[in-house]
Amino acid sequence: GAGVSQSPSNKVTEKGKDVELRCDPISGHTALYWYRQSLGQGLEFLIYFQGNSAPDKSGLPSDRFSAERTGGSVSTLTIQRTQQEDSAVYLCASSSTSYEQYFGPGTRLTVT
Amino acid sequence: EDQVTQSPEALRLQEGESSSLNCSYTVSGLRGLFWYRQDPGKGPEFLFTLYSAGEEKEKERLKATLTKKESFLHITAPKPEDSATYLCAIAGGSYIPTFGRGTSLIVHP
Repeated sequence: GAGVSQSPSNKVTEKGKDVELRCDPISGHTALYWYRQSLGQGLEFLIYFQGNSAPDKSGLPSDRFSAERTGGSVSTLTIQRTQQEDSAVYLCASSSTSYEQYFGPGTRLTVT
Repeated sequence: EDQVTQSPEALRLQEGESSSLNCSYTVSGLRGLFWYRQDPGKGPEFLFTLYSAGEEKEKERLKATLTKKESFLHITAPKPEDSATYLCAIAGGSYIPTFGRGTSLIVHP
């Protein structure tokens, strides 16, 4: 079946611009996670959605970062007024009830 | 606070040279321990879930084992295509899994 998809695969933006990253989870998966991975670094948790519950935003690094999930499916991560330190690969994962996460291919964000 | 430590950070093997990767963890109430494989430029790929001490899972040349303090990923007779970063994660009191930094494995032909 279809896996997790993310778009765009690559995004180059100028410092100060806003960007939107999209994630389509596996159909039927109620949990959705966003992570950030910088070069040679581990996975940094950003935000977690579970069904219709309020999201866990505890990993968002600043108020420039926000995310929403519409209809319990597609999610969008928005970064406002991008900074060079925001350059990284942004990964989305979805999960059913077993905590096993299925990751998308990621969006590579470069802020110039 | 849940913690995961993976060792070694990097491992170089010759093709056919078996070895093990370690994942040490501390958690309050383990819901599951997970192994992932990540190839360069790609998202992590799920490999195994282990739920309780003594459990083992196998897939091709990989075998994952679990004790109350650590997990091992044993690689038997590795091939160059096994080269990747292997990530360990735990799900404990939080619904958000905690990931280790990973072990970068290179298998030379």
